[in-house]
Amino acid sequence: KNQVEQSPQSLIILEGKNCTLQCNYTVSPFSNLRWYKQDTGRGPVSLTIMTFSENTKSNGRYTATLDADTKQSSLHITASQLSDSASYICVVSASNDYKLSFGAGTTVTVRA
Amino acid sequence: EAQVTQNPRYLITVTGKKLTVTCSQNMNHEYMSWYRQDPGLGLRQIYYSMNVEVTDKGDVPEGYKVSRKEKRNFPLILESPSPNQTSLYFCASSTHRVDYGYTFGSGTRLTVV
Repeated sequence: KNQVEQSPQSLIILEGKNCTLQCNYTVSPFSNLRWYKQDTGRGPVSLTIMTFSENTKSNGRYTATLDADTKQSSLHITASQLSDSASYICVVSASNDYKLSFGAGTTVTVRA
Repeated sequence: EAQVTQNPRYLITVTGKKLTVTCSQNMNHEYMSWYRQDPGLGLRQIYYSMNVEVTDKGDVPEGYKVSRKEKRNFPLILESPSPNQTSLYFCASSTHRVDYGYTFGSGTRLTVV
């Protein structure tokens, strides 16, 4: 069964600090991995997409990495801002299936 | 503006009273899906549709119905809501290549008392 596990479940950081979120998956055959940001009470919005051949991709202060061999991804937030407070969801797509596999998300709280 | 529109945003209803949550997209997407989101469980797929008149069950379809009579609309129907259907619901759409990414609606928070 395709699974996606995220850690930590939640974290609190001070404004201006960095943090890293983890995503481990068992989805096979792998197509791509996306990180979504979900503000409270809103729908998820895509931050980055990683395909098999990509190791690192940045979107402003967000940097995603992918290790397809170990089936791990991380999302690094640099110089956090209050607006980064949200849930971050890892979503993995299999190349032979229309379904997506969702992680439970990591809730990030940035405090002033 | 490309978007997925859900209505209503908030709904409180009583057990057994039929309700419909509407979903409409303006991107001519073939694929549409409904998810529910509960604390600690993440997003779970209820139903999906790969095109007009083509629908299929997701992981948690019990107690829900859907229809896809037009490409842009994909309503979610709860014939007899129960308290365990209290949740945050999201509609999403995508091109026929789902791995191109979803566009999500803003969500509907449903409370069944």
